[in-house]
Amino acid sequence: EVHLVESGGGLVQPGGSLRLSCAASGFTFSNYEMNWVRQAPGKGLEWVSYISSRGTAIYYADSVKGRFTISRDNAKNSLYLQLNSLRAEDTATYYCARGAYCGGDCYSDAFDIWGQGTMVTVSS
Amino acid sequence: EIVLTQSPGTLSLSPGERATLSCKASQSVSSTYLAWYQQKPGQAPRLLISDSSSRATGIPDRFSGSGSGTDFTLTISRLEPEDFAVYYCQHYGSSPFTFGGGTKVEIK
Repeated sequence: EVHLVESGGGLVQPGGSLRLSCAASGFTFSNYEMNWVRQAPGKGLEWVSYISSRGTAIYYADSVKGRFTISRDNAKNSLYLQLNSLRAEDTATYYCARGAYCGGDCYSDAFDIWGQGTMVTVSS
Repeated sequence: EIVLTQSPGTLSLSPGERATLSCKASQSVSSTYLAWYQQKPGQAPRLLISDSSSRATGIPDRFSGSGSGTDFTLTISRLEPEDFAVYYCQHYGSSPFTFGGGTKVEIK
């Protein structure tokens, strides 16, 4: 069965750092684009970052550019998000989500598999 | 950046009724790259529709998507009790892959 499991969330002070992980199973991780999406308490979904299947293309939302870094380790079937210079407005549940299949050519696709999320709270 | 505006914010309906949700884009979106998601409290979002009208695996046929250009619609033909949730549209053709603000479908 296809699964994504996030970890690494927690309480951190403003200006602090955190590293989120997303463990993938049940599919060939290296063939898929991946994303991070967050949701502040009681609010809607906000796309955060994208990484191509081989890690050669990376995009960020303006709200996190320069502070967050996405990466992946295909040998470990894992996706990461390094969060630096955290602010109160970064408080949210962070989801990893699977994007397009890139076994041959890559075509943009919707996010078909989501993890259960990991909560990040930025507060003093 | 493409901004997606969903309306109404809240839709109050009874089981068995038809729900029509709107998603309007600030600029033309290829219908190939428009998705709809359902989210229930405490759960992750679930993909319902991709390519504006293609149902995801396991999604009942009471859910349908349509539209082109800047106007897209999600229709639930007859609401079942499990359909009361929040629905989001998203475009995924190019970064940033923005989401709409959501429509909550609540029991009247």
